[in-house]
Amino acid sequence: EVQLVESGGGLVQPGGSLRLSCAASGFTFSNYWMSWVRQPPGGGLEWVATMNQDGSEKYYLDSVKGRFTISRDNAKSSLSLQMNSLRAEDTAIYYCAGDRGNYWTFDIWGQGTMVTVSS
Amino acid sequence: DIVMTQTPLSSPVTLGQPASISCRSSQSLVHSNGNTYLSWLQQRPGQPPRLLIYEISNRFSGVPDRFSGSGAGTDFTLKISRVEADDVGVYYCMQATQFPLTFGGGTKVEIK
Repeated sequence: EVQLVESGGGLVQPGGSLRLSCAASGFTFSNYWMSWVRQPPGGGLEWVATMNQDGSEKYYLDSVKGRFTISRDNAKSSLSLQMNSLRAEDTAIYYCAGDRGNYWTFDIWGQGTMVTVSS
Repeated sequence: DIVMTQTPLSSPVTLGQPASISCRSSQSLVHSNGNTYLSWLQQRPGQPPRLLIYEISNRFSGVPDRFSGSGAGTDFTLKISRVEADDVGVYYCMQATQFPLTFGGGTKVEIK
């Protein structure tokens, strides 16, 4: 079965750090661009970061640049998001998403992991 | 950044009747390679988003043919020919022509 499974979410204080992981299975992970997309409680979707197959290209939302780092381990079919200097406005469900069809969109999504930044 | 504006915010629809959602971008979504990277996603309550349409009008695998996309340049439309109960949720347009990738604010489709 083709799937993405996120983990690592939780409650963290402002200024703290968290590392999210996404385990891919059922497809050749190393062939595809992968991304993180977030959704604040009751809110809409917001793109966070994207990287290409070999990690030579990475793109970030301006508000997370310098604080978040996207990375991948193709040998383990795993995507990560290191989040530092967390702010209340980073509170959201974080989805791992991929573009398997080269459609320049997201054709596969995980179930999401909740990150809450609060004192 | 490209701003994506969706209307309406909410669309109460009678079962079996059509629904239409509009999405307008603040600049053309035509990429330098000639393609237009506008897609539509559906998010059912309590679920992650799901891809419906890519590159304006191409239905993703398994998407019923009652969903169709159209448009060009800066104006795009998603139509549901006959709304079913399973279609309740929030619909988002998204552009991937340039970074940062941006989404519309979402349109909630509900049954009257």
